[in-house]
Amino acid sequence: DQQVKQNSPSLSVQEGRISILNCDYTNSMFDYFLWYKKYPAEGPTFLISISSIKDKNEDGRFTVFLNKSAKHLSLHIVPSQPGDSAVYFCAASDPTSGTYKYIFGTGTRLKVLA
Amino acid sequence: DVKVTQSSRYLVKRTGEKVFLECVQDMDHENMFWYRQDPGLGLRLIYFSYDVKMKEKGDIPEGYSVSREKKERFSLILESASTNQTSMYLCASTGFRDQPQHFGDGTRLSIL
Repeated sequence: DQQVKQNSPSLSVQEGRISILNCDYTNSMFDYFLWYKKYPAEGPTFLISISSIKDKNEDGRFTVFLNKSAKHLSLHIVPSQPGDSAVYFCAASDPTSGTYKYIFGTGTRLKVLA
Repeated sequence: DVKVTQSSRYLVKRTGEKVFLECVQDMDHENMFWYRQDPGLGLRLIYFSYDVKMKEKGDIPEGYSVSREKKERFSLILESASTNQTSMYLCASTGFRDQPQHFGDGTRLSIL
């Protein structure tokens, strides 16, 4: 059963507008969440993370919001740029697993149109 | 900067062959991971290791094994390659749980 879900396989946004990527999770024990960006033929690159003690974290054009009651997180990119076109993965960490492994979503392909 | 290096970017092998994928990290991280990425399925964990000679199965370990003889090196082994193991393989490492895993550039493996 998929514990981390990205229900939108793809998203298209005009350059300069806001991109909003969504992620839902089922396990309330998850306490650390991350977003990765992946270009074709490259490994994922870490973008931004958030701990469950926070509800928002910002880094430049990227902001991650966490709604624990809804078990939902989102990544906002403002303004979107053509170079942001990539696949975005959300990931979650479960402290009760006793390990450092992540559970990844299936990814959302973002296309920023010039 | 953390550097995770995977030995090959592209690899083509035949069914039944034994295949070795190598990964080296330069940050003295205890934890290393092997994932495969397939369209529509995201990143799925094959195996991980939290110390030298220690390993744990991930979500899809069937058909794979791993070796960690030195802290910086984590090898993924396909015992007898099959066509359904054609995929992008990604290695990652981390030192602490609240620090992000760092990924290599991946190995695109094709099994013919």
